[in-house]
Order: sequence, then structure tokens, then C-alpha cells
Amino acid sequence: DAGVIQSPRHEVTEMGQEVTLRCKPISGHDYLFWYRQTMMRGLELLIYFNNNVPIDDSGMPEDRFSAKMPNASFSTLKIQPSEPRDSAVYFCASSLTSRTQETQYFGPGTRLLVL
Amino acid sequence: SQKIEQNSEALNIQEGKTATLTCNYTNYSPAYLQWYRQDPGRGPVFLLLIRENEKEKRKERLKVTFDTTLKQSLFHITASQPADSATYLCALDSSYIPTFGRGTSLIVHP
Repeated sequence: DAGVIQSPRHEVTEMGQEVTLRCKPISGHDYLFWYRQTMMRGLELLIYFNNNVPIDDSGMPEDRFSAKMPNASFSTLKIQPSEPRDSAVYFCASSLTSRTQETQYFGPGTRLLVL
Repeated sequence: SQKIEQNSEALNIQEGKTATLTCNYTNYSPAYLQWYRQDPGRGPVFLLLIRENEKEKRKERLKVTFDTTLKQSLFHITASQPADSATYLCALDSSYIPTFGRGTSLIVHP
């Protein structure tokens, strides 16, 4: 298996533009997580899905952020409109279950810079 | 409020020595605690998991302890190597969802 795949790896955009981040989880994993990592706040959970259904989006910072999982092999995280404070590395991770006794497999991340 | 604390200062050690990293937490009652390694430009990679009823877990040169009374986990790397240089994150379960500390950077000098 290729592991969790994220695209793009780097994104530079201007304030106000829409940004879409993509993730393909490991085949057979039922859970998908979106995280954001910054120096100031560390790794923060934004939202997670179980069997394509959003379970907890309490970590989504505001209405400008939305996430979808139309099928078991694809998820998107959208920011519209983007702001400079959204600059961070966004990680997608998947696991067989949500319980932390199960390993989370992280993708390589998308480094987002909003100018 | 809930807190997970890892030393924000980098730990610098000489090759061959034992590195010890600390993870302290407050207002959590985790059933599990995990340690991950993160290299620059990459996502975290799982290393070890320890359960609340386990005092110690070992894997090759790695050892993790978990003291639920002190609310602390220690992560040891014995016979450290420059290739062990990375950031190490601890993660606690909170309602079955892992919450991550901010990590401690380890630098092993040859």
C-alpha cells in the first residue's frame, strides 16, 4: 500500500482565494482525520470521519472551513475564503478504528501559505 | 483545562547516550498513551503505545513508562544515534480521539 496520499504537497495562494486539500486514506481504514500543525499550537484535530460520515467537527476553526468524504477513498478539506492565519501544514491520517489503541497513519502533509 | 506538556526546548545529547523525553498531562484520564516520531517535512510516525495498566513497554532501543499517579510518561532511547534526531510527540486518548502534545526535538550529536 502507498500509505496515505495527500495533494498538493505545497500550496501558495492569496488571501481570499479558495483552497482545496485532498486526501486518499489507506484502503480498508474506516476512520479519516484532518489535522493542522503550526509552531504555536502544535498538531490540532480539525475533523474526523467514520465510514465517510463526519463524526466530530468541533475542531474546525470557523465556517470558512469545510470537509467532505464522498467515498471511502477520498476526502477534501476546503478553506473559503482563505486568510494568512490559515498558513500551516495540514495532515490527513487514517486508522482502522478511532480508539487510540490503533495506530494512526499520517500522510506527508500539505504546506499551505496564504499571502 | 486539559493540558499535555512536552519540553519545548530541544534535547541535545551525544551519540551512544540515553535520551529521555517527558510527557506530562493534566485533567486527562487516558486509557492509552502513544509516542510518535516526526521528521522535518513529514507526517508523524507511530512508535509505541502503552496502556494505563502497563508500567513499561519496550521495543528494540525504545522504552516507554507510564505513571498514572504522576500523570507522566517517559520515553527513552538507549544507545542513541544521529539518525534518532527528530521531534517526538506524545498523544493521549480523549474520548477515544488522540490529542497530541507539541513535541520535543531531539538532536543526537556524533
